[in-house]
Amino acid sequence: GAGVSQTPSNKVTEKGKYVELRCDPISGHTALYWYRQSLGQGPEFLIYFQGTGAADDSGLPNDRFFAVRPEGSVSTLKIQRTERGDSAVYLCASSFGPGWEQYFGPGTRLTVT
Amino acid sequence: AQSVAQPEDQVNVAEGNPLTVKCTYSVSGNPYLFWYVQYPNRGLQFLLKYITGDNLVKGSYGFEAEFNKSQTSFHLKKPSALVSDSALYFCAVTHGSSNTGKLIFGQGTTLQVKP
Repeated sequence: GAGVSQTPSNKVTEKGKYVELRCDPISGHTALYWYRQSLGQGPEFLIYFQGTGAADDSGLPNDRFFAVRPEGSVSTLKIQRTERGDSAVYLCASSFGPGWEQYFGPGTRLTVT
Repeated sequence: AQSVAQPEDQVNVAEGNPLTVKCTYSVSGNPYLFWYVQYPNRGLQFLLKYITGDNLVKGSYGFEAEFNKSQTSFHLKKPSALVSDSALYFCAVTHGSSNTGKLIFGQGTTLQVKP
């Protein structure tokens, strides 16, 4: 079956611009996660959705970051007023729920110039 | 706070030899432990997990891992390494009673298998 997909695969934007990153999870997975991976580091948790609601957004670094999942499937991570420090690979994962293994998408590489 | 340590940045083994990639963790309560592999320009792939039960768990591609509660370790092993096993490996943990399942990852260990 289809895995987790993410678009775009690469995004280059100028400092101060707004970006949206999209994640399409595995069908039937109610849990959806966003992580951020910087070069040479392990992924860092950003936000968790159970269904349509953000059940844990404790990993979002500041209020420039926001994510939605309006219909309990596709999710969009939104970053306002991008900064060079936001440059990283943004990973999306989905699972059947907490404690189940998470399946990751290929990621979106964001570069802020 | 939860944490994961992978003490080796890189592990080098010869093809056909056994391999071990080390992982230790810190979490309150019962841990759920995972290993993922990341090939260049590809996403993280799930290898195996420990939730409860037998301390030795078997996963994909011939990998296995041993949960040791007293040493708070979850080392990844394979009896006979292949060149194609060369990749970046991540250990991850979540709290067994977590209502989010968010994963805390280690820094990663690069496995290099030489012919």
